[in-house]
Amino acid sequence: AQSVAQPEDQVNVAEGNPLTVKCTYSVSGNPYLFWYVQYPNRGLQFLLKYITGDNLVKGSYGFEAEFNKSQTSFHLKKPSALVSDSALYFCAVREVHRDDKIIFGKGTRLHILP
Amino acid sequence: DAGVIQSPRHEVTEMGQEVTLRCKPISGHNSLFWYRQTMMRGLELLIYFNNNVPIDDSGMPEDRFSAKMPNASFSTLKIQPSEPRDSAVYFCASSPVHSSYEQYFGPGTRLTVT
Repeated sequence: AQSVAQPEDQVNVAEGNPLTVKCTYSVSGNPYLFWYVQYPNRGLQFLLKYITGDNLVKGSYGFEAEFNKSQTSFHLKKPSALVSDSALYFCAVREVHRDDKIIFGKGTRLHILP
Repeated sequence: DAGVIQSPRHEVTEMGQEVTLRCKPISGHNSLFWYRQTMMRGLELLIYFNNNVPIDDSGMPEDRFSAKMPNASFSTLKIQPSEPRDSAVYFCASSPVHSSYEQYFGPGTRLTVT
């Protein structure tokens, strides 16, 4: 069965510092991997995805994520955090060739401290 | 494109009343998903449709919940009778069927059952 783990409920980072939000996944085949962000009182917004090709994927608002097949991870990163990056971040996985539901992690709340 | 449209944005109702939530997916998207989000349980998939056909309703909590998709541009989620524990934010999302595509979320309906 497919699953996603976000091991940290909350991550605190000082403004200007690099940030990492962790995600690991489990699928029986090859994965499609996604990151979404949710701001207060809003729906989830798509940030980036890994489909195939380069393991480093770049997305919206300066975010990037690195696909690591051996570690089954897809950590979200940004070189320099902004206060406006404070939000709830969700990692999600879908299995290639399965037009099936996407599995979301429980979310990680990111706090960027001024 | 206007994105995924949900109505109403807020609903306050008394226990025992029927509640109907509405969703208009993005034109051309043939997968539609209903989610529920609470502080305690996080984001839960309730049901999803491919080409207007319900594929997986295993997340629907009880028989009090029902969902329909009479055509490609409209879906409803109905709760009858409603209970206080149904209070949550309900999101609708749509995507193309292929599993490589990300989902696009609506703004959500905040339901309060008193």
